[in-house]
Formats: sequence, C-alpha cells, structure tokens
Amino acid sequence: NAGVTQTPKFRVLKTGQSMTLLCAQDMNHEYMYWYRQDPGMGLRLIHYSVGEGTTAKGEVPDGYNVSRLKKQNFLLGLESAAPSQTSVYFCASSYGGIINEQFFGPGTRLTVL
Amino acid sequence: AQSVAQPEDQVNVAEGNPLTVKCTYSVSGNPYLFWYVQYPNRGLQFLLKYITGDNLVKGSYGFEAEFNKSQTSFHLKKPSALVSDSALYFCAVRPPDGSSNTGKLIFGQGTTLQVKP
Repeated sequence: NAGVTQTPKFRVLKTGQSMTLLCAQDMNHEYMYWYRQDPGMGLRLIHYSVGEGTTAKGEVPDGYNVSRLKKQNFLLGLESAAPSQTSVYFCASSYGGIINEQFFGPGTRLTVL
Repeated sequence: AQSVAQPEDQVNVAEGNPLTVKCTYSVSGNPYLFWYVQYPNRGLQFLLKYITGDNLVKGSYGFEAEFNKSQTSFHLKKPSALVSDSALYFCAVRPPDGSSNTGKLIFGQGTTLQVKP
C-alpha cells in the first residue's frame, strides 16, 4: 500500500501561471481533503470531497478549484497563481464519518514568484 | 466561533523526562479530538483520538492524552520522552455538527517539541 501520494513534491510558478496538484490514495477511502499549511497557522482546509463526483468548499477555497472524477484521485487546481498561494499543500483521505482519522500525503511545496 | 489553541509554540524537555503538549478547544457540545505529529518534510501522522468513554486515551509511540471537559483541554503526554519524539505536534477538533458529516477538522497552530539528549 502506497497510502496517499502527491505529485509533484516541489513546484515554482510565476504569478499568473496555472497548475494542477494530484493526490492519489489506494485505501478505497470515500473522503478526501486538500489543506494548506502556513507557518504559525496550522492546517487550513481548502476543499474536500465526500465521494466520487462530489466536491465542497472548505475554509479557504478562493483561487482554487478541485475535481474528483475517480474515487482514488483528488485534483487541486490553481488557475492563476498568486504569491499568497505560496504554501505547503497536503492531501488527506479518510474512510468517512466524523470519527475516522485522516491519512496524509507527504505534501507539495509550492512557491509563487 | 469554534477553535483550537495550542498555547506553546515550543516545548523543550530532556530525554527521559515526562512531556506535556497543551491543547484547549472551544466548540459547542461534545467534541471529537485528535492529535497528529509531523516530522520534518513529511505529512501528518495520526497519534490518537478521543471520541467518547474513558478520558485517558492511549495512542501510538507511547503517547496518551487526557480529555478534561470542565477545562476544555486535551493535553498530550508521554511519561518518558525520546529524542526521536522531536517533531511538530498538532491538536485538532471535529465539532459534533449534526448538519454535516464530512470529518472536517479544525487544527491548532502546532507545537514544536524539542527533546534534548
């Protein structure tokens, strides 16, 4: 089991460029999440999905879009990157339900110049 | 507003001594509480959770946490710290919001634990 994997691990963008971060899980989890981690702020939820074909906004969704076309994949898109989106992005998945722990990927470090 | 606070940015302990990493929360109703650990350049790993029942919860790597409803706290503890415990620790709460069932978590800002030999 690879668990939760994220692609790429690092990326540098120029302001206005676009990119897609890929998250994949092989645990057959229903729920998937995208977070961003910034120093001193913990993790903040960007978007999440409770099943294939469904997505919903989290705490900080502006400037991001997501898609969950397949159960095992959750894509995070930046249409026009801004320096404020410089962060470390984590994907997570869980079996679902409010008491199940989340499993995290290794993260993607994104720098927007 | 629902929130989680970790009042210490950093905790320093000597190897072999007991450690405590503090967490307090503010939610309505009975919360579901979690602790995660993050090693450098890695994702978060689940340590333990409190859902209901015994206030003392045991988790991975010898860690435990005590839920105190009157003090709205969920402090992480370990009787004897190891240098390898040095990492960033996050407390998180899942409010018992009956209107959704997404498993969304509210994270604290994190506490760096430094265990010195």
